[in-house]
Amino acid sequence: DAGITQSPRYKITETGRQVTLMCHQTWSHSYMFWYRQDLGHGLRLIYYSAAADITDKGEVPDGYVVSRSKTENFPLTLESATRSQTSVYFCASGRQNTEAFFGQGTRLTVV
Amino acid sequence: AQSVTQLDSQVPVFEEAPVELRCNYSSSVSVYLFWYVQYPNQGLQLLLKYLSGSTLVKGINGFEAEFNKSQTSFHLRKPSVHISDTAEYFCAVIFTGGGNKLTFGTGTQLKVEL
Repeated sequence: DAGITQSPRYKITETGRQVTLMCHQTWSHSYMFWYRQDLGHGLRLIYYSAAADITDKGEVPDGYVVSRSKTENFPLTLESATRSQTSVYFCASGRQNTEAFFGQGTRLTVV
Repeated sequence: AQSVTQLDSQVPVFEEAPVELRCNYSSSVSVYLFWYVQYPNQGLQLLLKYLSGSTLVKGINGFEAEFNKSQTSFHLRKPSVHISDTAEYFCAVIFTGGGNKLTFGTGTQLKVEL
């Protein structure tokens, strides 16, 4: 089906482990984004990408790594998970100067 | 500094009453403006957007918003709310020249009561 999908929807991991959240979109949008949502903070941008092989830091990039080898995929990796990275993560995609479309989110718990 | 402010973290309202959710921004460049809605355990859905043209924009579910450039505001309104409007509402801004990133406010929880 067309759209933007995130996997997994739920993940529990241990402190210090590496974990990768997947994001796939079928619209061929040039822009893709990763946000985290925490109570009282709204959505904060972690990383974004303007095109394949072009990525840039957002507001809260520390502890995260992204790559974008293909236009449709934008995985987010937590290199060594910490409890402060427990959050809901949203991937989004969009075109220039207009709205972004959001996935259903991944609820990550670091224990 | 560029920022987005939603001063009201929670807004309780009775069903069929009107509601206004406030959004202000700070910017030295031109902007594109959006309102998103989030129902529990779901992603964000676009309600409406202002890109250019008429400053009064209409969206889905009977919502509308007005861009006021002099007051740097983009308040969301609905003349008569329904129980099903209970959700979290986010104002978001693209500051031009900043990489097409959406900057979000902290959200307003709208609770519609009988």
